[in-house]
Amino acid sequence: DQQVKQNSPSLSVQEGRISILNCDYTNSMFDYFLWYKKYPAEGPTFLISISSIKDKNEDGRFTVFLNKSAKHLSLHIVPSQPGDSAVYFCAASAIGTYKYIFGTGTRLKVLA
Amino acid sequence: DTGVSQDPRHKITKRGQNVTFRCDPISEHNRLYWYRQTLGQGPEFLTYFQNEAQLEKSRLLSDRFSAERPKGSFSTLEIQRTEQGDSAMYLCASSHWTGNSNQPQHFGDGTRLSIL
Repeated sequence: DQQVKQNSPSLSVQEGRISILNCDYTNSMFDYFLWYKKYPAEGPTFLISISSIKDKNEDGRFTVFLNKSAKHLSLHIVPSQPGDSAVYFCAASAIGTYKYIFGTGTRLKVLA
Repeated sequence: DTGVSQDPRHKITKRGQNVTFRCDPISEHNRLYWYRQTLGQGPEFLTYFQNEAQLEKSRLLSDRFSAERPKGSFSTLEIQRTEQGDSAMYLCASSHWTGNSNQPQHFGDGTRLSIL
């Protein structure tokens, strides 16, 4: 049972344009959501998070949007840069638990 | 470097052997987590510690797996009688829990285990 789903295994975007990565979840008890970036041979690196009391959080070029009614979150990267090319994972944790449930990842390729 | 450190980075062993991995968390972090990642999947939770207490274990953690955090600092994950299906990347993460807000987990670069 995949509680966190990233339905797009890959995405290609031109440098300077917006990258939009999507994530859907099924568990209504999730209250904290995160995005991680992973380069080959490295561990996941924390990018940005959002709690369920908010619907938007920004950090520089990265913005996460949360739509609780649709059980959907997205990560916007503007403008996209070649160094953003990596695998992006969304993750969620439920109220009262501390383990993260991860999606299967989306491979982003930013074309110069 | 004050990030999460894992050792070794790679481990190749024969089926049936025992292996042990070490994780050194970020120094002020009181929570430590172990995850496993296989090809094409996201990390899957195995277990976590708050200080030296192991507070939750996944059903993925069979009785061949044991984890310790004896002094509330570094942690070890041991796999006994390794099987082919144990081949994976084992990731360690840490976070600082204050009791009143979520803090993200920070991951190490993992130990890649290959069973021959």
